[in-house]
Amino acid sequence: QKEVEQNSGPLSVPEGAIASLNCTYSDRGSQSFFWYRQYSGKSPELIMFIYSNGDKEDGRFTAQLNKASQYVSLLIRDSQPSDSATYLCAVKRAGGYNKLIFGAGTRLAVHP
Amino acid sequence: GAGVSQSPSNKVTEKGKDVELRCDPISGHTALYWYRQSLGQGLEFLIYFQGNSAPDKSGLPSDRFSAERTGGSVSTLTIQRTQQEDSAVYLCASSLRAPSGRATDTQYFGPGTRLTVL
Repeated sequence: QKEVEQNSGPLSVPEGAIASLNCTYSDRGSQSFFWYRQYSGKSPELIMFIYSNGDKEDGRFTAQLNKASQYVSLLIRDSQPSDSATYLCAVKRAGGYNKLIFGAGTRLAVHP
Repeated sequence: GAGVSQSPSNKVTEKGKDVELRCDPISGHTALYWYRQSLGQGLEFLIYFQGNSAPDKSGLPSDRFSAERTGGSVSTLTIQRTQQEDSAVYLCASSLRAPSGRATDTQYFGPGTRLTVL
């Protein structure tokens, strides 16, 4: 079992819809959770991070964390074609020197 | 420079040759990380530097891989006797610091070096 699991997709949503991306992790000691966006051929860029149970909103993005169930999700409201990319979930373990463990990513395709 | 830079951007080498990949982090960033990304895969942690020391090198896949950092700035990742399975994009990231516990510091990624071993 991989430490961080994501559905590879592609997840296809129409423009204007809500895209829901999910991630599960196996280490209960994980403390911080990150969503990165990676356009094809480009390097990852941080969208947001979360470390408390519940929701965290930033513009059109909402991260949701449920530590009891060991999952974290990212919601993208009013999806745009420019949101089409691979979304990488990453976790930081306790005492992990800021080292991140990444999932394989979910490819999102937003069609007009 | 304004961001993390890496060189070369592309490297094609023959099996068995040694390669050196360079990373220049954001000025003032004390923490530096190397990851690699194989085709269609997520990022795999290789090694982390705090200053010039490497407290975590647990991700280096074999003793053919080594890395160093000098002057608390530039880092070099060396792969000896390259194999075809070493083909990947090697990404470097830096952060201002590397807090433990729940605190975090954003990692900024460079553009990567695409390594192809023939």
